[in-house]
Order: sequence, then structure tokens, then C-alpha cells
Amino acid sequence: ILNVEQSPQSLHVQEGDSTNFTCSFPSSNFYALHWYRWETAKSPEALFVMTLNGDEKKKGRISATLNTKEGYSYLYIKGSQPEDSATYLCARSGTYKYIFGTGTRLKVLA
Amino acid sequence: ETGVTQTPRHLVMGMTNKKSLKCEQHLGHNAMYWYKQSAKKPLELMFVYSLEERVENNSVPSRFSPECPNSSHLFLHLHTLQPEDSALYLCASSQDSSEGPYQETQYFGPGTRLLVL
Repeated sequence: ILNVEQSPQSLHVQEGDSTNFTCSFPSSNFYALHWYRWETAKSPEALFVMTLNGDEKKKGRISATLNTKEGYSYLYIKGSQPEDSATYLCARSGTYKYIFGTGTRLKVLA
Repeated sequence: ETGVTQTPRHLVMGMTNKKSLKCEQHLGHNAMYWYKQSAKKPLELMFVYSLEERVENNSVPSRFSPECPNSSHLFLHLHTLQPEDSALYLCASSQDSSEGPYQETQYFGPGTRLLVL
């Protein structure tokens, strides 16, 4: 059984703070690592797909890194804003198999 | 809007009822998925269809029956459910390439919140 672990489970930050979360996954037979942003009552929204060790992706104030050898990915948010409040999910994929973590719930306080 | 719609958004059913969840994607994708999310658990993949053929069934009880009549539509037929089946059911789609969809982004619908009494 492949487990994807995310930490922390939740956190509160002040507006303007920068923050980061961790996604840990089994490094064997790795294909891709996905990050999603999920706001309450909305659909999960894809942020990044990363496949290569050392990959770095950036989208506005959000960026992610990938280490496939040690099995972890970091998601960074620079200058958090209240609209960044959401649950951030990561998923490890192989052919037709997506294994999700339980997510990190972020609350940005104005 | 992600291009994936689900109906109904909320459903309450008794254990003896039969109901169906519907998913439609307007993205031209050829792979569709059903997920279940129970409280405080990660998203669990239930079924995968690629090119209208079921390619994965993750040990899902037979009281859940999927149907994919074409690449744009996916149904989940429900019968004699149990209270523990109450959960959020999400549909997703992606584009299946010759190398498989594992590198492709999945696009999710908003989900159906199901309550079984």
C-alpha cells in the first residue's frame, strides 16, 4: 500500500506571511507528483504536475519543488493572502493510480 | 468552472433506494474517474474509465455500479447503500496519452454530497 503523507494537517498564518507545506511519498516506481488547491464548496483545482527530480514549478506567489530520490515535495506560498485559504492536496501517480494525501488546511488571517 | 459538471450536488437516500450520480465533462478528455471522500480521509479512487472501458476497480462493493456510455459522460449507480457510504463523491477527467494519464492533470467536478439514512 502506498501512503502519501502531508504535514502539517492545518495551519493559520497572518496575511503577508510566507509559508510552506510538505508532501512525503514512497520514492520507488514514481511517475508524477500533483498539487491541488481545494476551496470549500468548489472543485479541486490543479496547481502543478511534476515528474523530474529537482523540478521546480511556479505560479504567481505559489511554487513547488520535487525530490524523487528521498520522496518529498514542498509547496511554498509567498506573502499569503486571505484568498489563499484552502486545503492543499498532493497526489502521487502511477498508471491509473492516484494516491492522495489528506491535505494541509491553510487559513490566512487578515 | 473546470469543465466538469456533476448532478445532483446533494442527495439524501434511504438504504433501500436506487439512485444515480451523473458526471459530464466538456474538455474532450478520454479518461474519467470516480473518487470518494469520507470525513477526515484522503480522496479514494473508486473507478477509472479510459476510452469508455473500465480499467480499474479498486475493490469497491458491488452496490456501486459505474457506467460510461461515452467519453463525455460517467454515471455511478447506487443501490442498497449503507450509512457508512455517506460521503462526497467526486468525478474527474483527464487526457489519456499513449504513455498513460499519470502525468496528466485531472480536472475535478464539484462533487455530490451523499447522505444515506
